Amino acid sequence: DTGVSQDPRHKITKRGQNVTFRCDPISEHNRLYWYRQTLGQGPEFLTYFQNEAQLEKSRLLSDRFSAERPKGSFSTLEIQRTEQGDSAMYLCASSLVSSGEYEQYFGPGTRLTVT
Amino acid sequence: AQTVTQSQPEMSVQEAETVTLSCTYDTSESNYYLFWYKQPPSRQMILVIRQEAYKQQNATENRFSVNFQKAAKSFSLKISDSQLGDTAMYFCAQLNDMRFGAGTRLTVKP
Repeated sequence: DTGVSQDPRHKITKRGQNVTFRCDPISEHNRLYWYRQTLGQGPEFLTYFQNEAQLEKSRLLSDRFSAERPKGSFSTLEIQRTEQGDSAMYLCASSLVSSGEYEQYFGPGTRLTVT
Repeated sequence: AQTVTQSQPEMSVQEAETVTLSCTYDTSESNYYLFWYKQPPSRQMILVIRQEAYKQQNATENRFSVNFQKAAKSFSLKISDSQLGDTAMYFCAQLNDMRFGAGTRLTVKP
């Protein structure tokens, strides 16, 4: 098991462009989470999936953001018409929910810079 | 609203000494888990220690231990025999609600 992986690790884009990030969770984990983290702050929850179902979305997830987990394995997070305020680290985490366990394992993140 | 509060933005400690990081939280859950995560500079988040709210005994993991006060909704992290490699951001988290604190930047000085 190689842990949670994210691709790309860094992305620089111009304002108004669309970007897509990918997350591969730990293989047996059924929950997958997306967070956003700005410099010097804690992660802020965006959305999470249980298997392929998107169960919760934060109010931070504007209409320009969309996330999918089509087969209950990897997930993608797309940001349309990027804005400078979207510049942040986007973190993915996964967990195995059984018996009320909530421990999350994090990936290395994708750092987005919008110029 | 469910919140996690870390009131110490920055702390420092001499190598080999003990330091305590504070955290308070609010939740409507009756059973929940609390976590401390460590994020070294430019590296990914890793779990330090976790506490199950229904367990009265405080969790310990080697040099790391917690002081869990359920009634006060307090969950502090104690690091004993601090090492240079402990330098990192530390985040308290209540993951039933997917909430993290703002973090405490800990610097261990030689």
